[in-house]
Amino acid sequence: DAGITQSPRYKITETGRQVTLMCHQTWSHSYMFWYRQDLGHGLRLIYYSAAADITDKGEVPDGYVVSRSKTENFPLTLESATRSQTSVYFCASSEKGRDGLAGGRFSTDTQYFGPGTRLTVL
Amino acid sequence: AQSVAQPEDQVNVAEGNPLTVKCTYSVSGNPYLFWYVQYPNRGLQFLLKYITGDNLVKGSYGFEAEFNKSQTSFHLKKPSALVSDSALYFCASMEYGNKLVFGAGTILRVKS
Repeated sequence: DAGITQSPRYKITETGRQVTLMCHQTWSHSYMFWYRQDLGHGLRLIYYSAAADITDKGEVPDGYVVSRSKTENFPLTLESATRSQTSVYFCASSEKGRDGLAGGRFSTDTQYFGPGTRLTVL
Repeated sequence: AQSVAQPEDQVNVAEGNPLTVKCTYSVSGNPYLFWYVQYPNRGLQFLLKYITGDNLVKGSYGFEAEFNKSQTSFHLKKPSALVSDSALYFCASMEYGNKLVFGAGTILRVKS
């Protein structure tokens, strides 16, 4: 059971280049997420997806693009990388829970995280 | 907007002693709170969560957390610390839409 994987694990690129970070999960989880981790900020949500072809912005979406054509994949693209996007990026997934909260529209299922991608933009 | 605060950047404790990592929250409505741990060069690992019910939540690796509504706190605890518990700990609250809002993190150092 591979779980959730990210590639590449390390990436160095230059300002202005396009970079795509991959995320793949084998659990068929409905929800997938992208976070970035920076010192002093903890993890901040970039984008998330409730299902294939459904995506929405998080706290810090500027400069990023996502897509989700298949349930298991959720790539994150930096269209024109900037130095401020140097960070560690984590992908996560969770099931669409059935806790029955808020009329079944709200899930408190645990998010499971990938190992991360360390991106450096020079 | 929801927020989570971890007031201590670092906590130092001797092996065998009890440990506490503090977390306070500010949410509208019912709080849904989580603790995660991150070891060096690894992703986050889920420890425990509070959704509803008992105020004392038991989780992985002997950790537990106490939910205190009057103090808006969700402190992580362990009765006897191990050197292997040394890591970065994150408290988080969940917003509508499964979105986690994280605190800044607390480094736990357990010395032998």
